Parts: sequence; C-alpha cells; structure tokens
Amino acid sequence: RKEVEQDPGPFNVPEGATVAFNCTYSNSASQSFFWYRQDCRKEPKLLMSVYSSGNEDGRFTAQLNRASQYISLLIRDSKLSDSATYLCVVNLGNQGGKLIFGQGTELSVKP
Amino acid sequence: DAMVIQNPRYQVTQFGKPVTLSCSQTLNHNVMYWYQQKSSQAPKLLFHYYDKDFNNEADTPDNFQSRRPNTSFCFLDIRSPGLGDAAMYLCATSRDLNQPQHFGDGTRLSIL
Repeated sequence: RKEVEQDPGPFNVPEGATVAFNCTYSNSASQSFFWYRQDCRKEPKLLMSVYSSGNEDGRFTAQLNRASQYISLLIRDSKLSDSATYLCVVNLGNQGGKLIFGQGTELSVKP
Repeated sequence: DAMVIQNPRYQVTQFGKPVTLSCSQTLNHNVMYWYQQKSSQAPKLLFHYYDKDFNNEADTPDNFQSRRPNTSFCFLDIRSPGLGDAAMYLCATSRDLNQPQHFGDGTRLSIL
C-alpha cells in the first residue's frame, strides 16, 4: 500500500464547477499535512497547510480527519487557472521533515 | 522576488561527466532539501541538511553527494551521471522540520 494515495485523475470540469480531491495516508504517526499545486514542468507550490479543524483560503477548503487518515481539498467556482496537478503531501515528523508526496491528481478546467 | 533560487534552470551533461547543481535561499531557513522528480512521478527526497547536519535517505545512490558551505547555499553533486539520472532536481527549504517547504524552480538535467 502506498504511503499517500490520491484519487486517480484526470478530473475534467467546466469553469465554475466545484471539485473535490481525496487523499488517504497510511502512517498514523504523520504530523503535518499539506496540499501543493504543480503546474506542468514547474516546481510544486504550497497551496495550503491542512489542520484538524479544517481551513479555508478563498475558494479552497481543506479538511483533515485523523481518525480516518483522510485529507480532502475542495475547490469552488473553478477557474481556468486552477488547471494543474494537486499533490497531497504528508510530513511524517519523525523522519527529519521528510515529505511523502501522493502521485498527484490532475485537474483540467475547461471554458 | 524568488526566495529559493536554483541554477541553472537547464543543465546538459555527458554520460559520466560530473555535474553540480546550485541552490541558494534568502529565507534564512534552517533546513535545505534536494529532491529528484522524474516525469509523471512524485518528487523523491535524496537528502537534507538541518543547519550543518547532513541526512541522507537510505535509498539515495552514492553517486549523489551534497555540500552546504553556509546557511544560504546548498549544492548537489552528481559524480558520474547515468542516463537514469535525467530528471528535474528540486531544492526546497523550511524554517524547521515539520514546517511547510518552499521549492525553487528546479533544474532540469539532461544526460547525453
């Protein structure tokens, strides 16, 4: 089983749609959680950290369920510029800050 | 302004010819990381420095070495690049362990 698993993509949605990405992680000792965004042939960029209480940043909402070892990202009112690969990332904490990346879910927002 | 700067953006080297990739940061972060990312794969951690302490991942080949002469700079040395080392190499920094990591633009390495 992979340490971090994400929905297989790609997701093709029209502008204005709401889209949700799911992610599960296997190590219950994981300490911190993030969503990164990666555009084609570019570096990953931090989108948001994910907290147990849930957190929102504009059109983006992230949720963490530690009991289920599940992380989600909701994007409302999708824009063309949201097209990218979204990486679910877990920090194990006890391995020197090592980030474990999911394989990523590709999102394509169409006009 | 870029805060994690990698040079060069594109590097071409010959099979077996040593190559050095550079990373600098203006964030004064304690931790610097090097990742390798191949096409359609997730980034894979090679090693990291916490201040001057070097931490190698168990599965990082001996062919890959790193140096951190000061807080701002970190180098990735590939002693004898093979065709399988062609990839994007990403440098990242974080203020401390378990903090979000900030990536540079990456260096795309090609091997002839």
